[in-house]
Amino acid sequence: DSGVTQTPKHLITATGQRVTLRCSPRSGDLSVYWYQQSLDQGLQFLIQYYNGEERAKGNILERFSAQQFPDLHSELNLSSLELGDSALYFCASSRGLAGAEQYFGPGTRLTVT
Amino acid sequence: DAKTTQPNSMESNEEEPVHLPCNHSTISGTDYIHWYRQLPSQGPEYVIHGLTSNVNNRMASLAIAEDRKSSTLILHRATLRDAAVYYCIRTPNFGNEKLTFGTGTRLTIIP
Repeated sequence: DSGVTQTPKHLITATGQRVTLRCSPRSGDLSVYWYQQSLDQGLQFLIQYYNGEERAKGNILERFSAQQFPDLHSELNLSSLELGDSALYFCASSRGLAGAEQYFGPGTRLTVT
Repeated sequence: DAKTTQPNSMESNEEEPVHLPCNHSTISGTDYIHWYRQLPSQGPEYVIHGLTSNVNNRMASLAIAEDRKSSTLILHRATLRDAAVYYCIRTPNFGNEKLTFGTGTRLTIIP
């Protein structure tokens, strides 16, 4: 158990819909990262928050957004969903220091039908 | 983006040591070397990381070449539970700490 929790575990929704994925970091970790894993693209970094502020952006679509709340939990919002958004979405947390290891949650499997 | 090169797959017998190589010939002097693994149907799991000298922890050892252009993850006694995809990743010693995952090495353990 990494100490990072993600909800829900599974999500099935239709194209065009909007969903919210939630992540609670390990106690004491200030940084939260979101990654997407699909069969054709592998594991890809989406976005990072550190203590409530956006710190880095990766290959995140404009239809996707995220935020980190004062209690440090984070939410990833995916809107106008397309079939290609079906993937595993992982959240990770770390102390936020350079070189610090990241601890990953179990992931949310999103299926868009 | 920071690049590393790993073999696509490796096999090892159970209870024997496993040496997983990684080439990072363009590494900068301040980049860390991280190893993560992903077991089937699970999120990636941190294994070990280092900067210049060799590192040991309860899971594995990391041997870093003197010129830092390559490294080797050593599992001292492989078990079936070690079957996973292993990722070698360079991370900068400052600024953005995102992980850039490659395709990794799929390790198969033979009973």
